[in-house]
Amino acid sequence: GEDVEQSLFLSVREGDSSVINCTYTDSSSTYLYWYKQEPGAGLQLLTYIFSNMDMKQDQRLTVLLNKKDKHLSLRIADTQTGDSAIYFCAERTGNNRKLIWGLGTSLAVNP
Amino acid sequence: GAGVSQTPSNKVTEKGKYVELRCDPISGHTALYWYRQSLGQGPEFLIYFQGTGAADDSGLPNDRFFAVRPEGSVSTLKIQRTERGDSAVYLCASSLGASGVDTQYFGPGTRLTVL
Repeated sequence: GEDVEQSLFLSVREGDSSVINCTYTDSSSTYLYWYKQEPGAGLQLLTYIFSNMDMKQDQRLTVLLNKKDKHLSLRIADTQTGDSAIYFCAERTGNNRKLIWGLGTSLAVNP
Repeated sequence: GAGVSQTPSNKVTEKGKYVELRCDPISGHTALYWYRQSLGQGPEFLIYFQGTGAADDSGLPNDRFFAVRPEGSVSTLKIQRTERGDSAVYLCASSLGASGVDTQYFGPGTRLTVL
């Protein structure tokens, strides 16, 4: 079945790198997404990766995909206090358009 | 341009009542999605429309939940005989409905509280 898992909390110091991890079970995943949710704000797409890619870089964000281990990570370089939020990993499988979501990782950035 | 909007932003109702939640997608987006998010959880898929038709309603929890999109734009999620367990934030998203990554853009949600 479909399942997406994430660690629930991460705390880093400002200026350090953050790495948020996600595992999924469905081998037919086509796209994997990272969304950010801030209090009182809607879900914001940060980045995505297609399943035939290993890595994607977008400014401070680096996504790594290990398809063999079904493991996805999001690295945020030079983490700032404004990066404090909940980060969700989501997958889309086959021809489905629905997204299957993890529980979210709460990132706290300490000055 | 305008994003996805949802009304009301908050809805408090009593157990057993009927509620309607509205979603206005981004203009030109043919696909529309409903999810719900309980406290401390990730969003849970409910239903997806392509145009006016429900392309996938596999996430609707039971027959108390129903959604429509009669003109292929605005959608209404309808919940009959509400229960306390229906309390959650109901999220709407829209996308172009194209092939490929087809990013889903989310509205701010409607927080439903069933007393």
